[in-house]
Amino acid sequence: DARVTQTPRDKVTEMGQEVTMRCQPILGHNTVFWYRQTMMQGLELLAYFRNRAPLDDSGMPKDRFSAEMPDATLATLKIQPSEPRDSAVYFCASGLSAGNTIYFGEGSWLTVV
Amino acid sequence: RKEVEQDPGPFNVPEGATVAFNCTYSNSASQSFFWYRQDCRKEPKLLMSVYSSGNEDGRFTAQLNRASQYISLLIRDSKLSDSATYLCAVNPWTGGFKTIFGAGTRLFVKA
Repeated sequence: DARVTQTPRDKVTEMGQEVTMRCQPILGHNTVFWYRQTMMQGLELLAYFRNRAPLDDSGMPKDRFSAEMPDATLATLKIQPSEPRDSAVYFCASGLSAGNTIYFGEGSWLTVV
Repeated sequence: RKEVEQDPGPFNVPEGATVAFNCTYSNSASQSFFWYRQDCRKEPKLLMSVYSSGNEDGRFTAQLNRASQYISLLIRDSKLSDSATYLCAVNPWTGGFKTIFGAGTRLFVKA
């Protein structure tokens, strides 16, 4: 089964450290999303790309977060410096714009202490 | 106001009950609608798409009401295994393929 792959699965880090999360979308999918999920806010869209170009990152705190797609098989989400309020599950998802259905990775569980 | 809103629940129902969830969306130009299921500490997975005429998949029925801007999910004869969080998702069609999720509704089915 084709699936979205995310690393790391779990990350505990100290406040102020840089965190980089990586995602390999399903081969052939041209749209990649980054979501953040917390109990309080639910599933929030941080950024998304189509054909590697960023289309919308309005949901992302610009001062510390950055998202890129260096190539079609890799998307990254970076937090620098990290803060305790960044503790959440970060999901990457991919899809085909024509099909609309999106498929999620297993998530990166981030704890900032 | 959030773009997609759901009653967070939780809904506690006995096995065999029928339960319904609603989800409202704010953008009247929205084109695509979905229900996802999320189990504890897992990723969301597509349960079903929602079509304009309504659609059914076994015990699950999804409906769309464009006039009132809501979608619904009906689960009949609920099973213990239906216990999960149900997330509605909407493509608001703001010129791109962008999927916005509701916060989810927790369902507990008890024996």
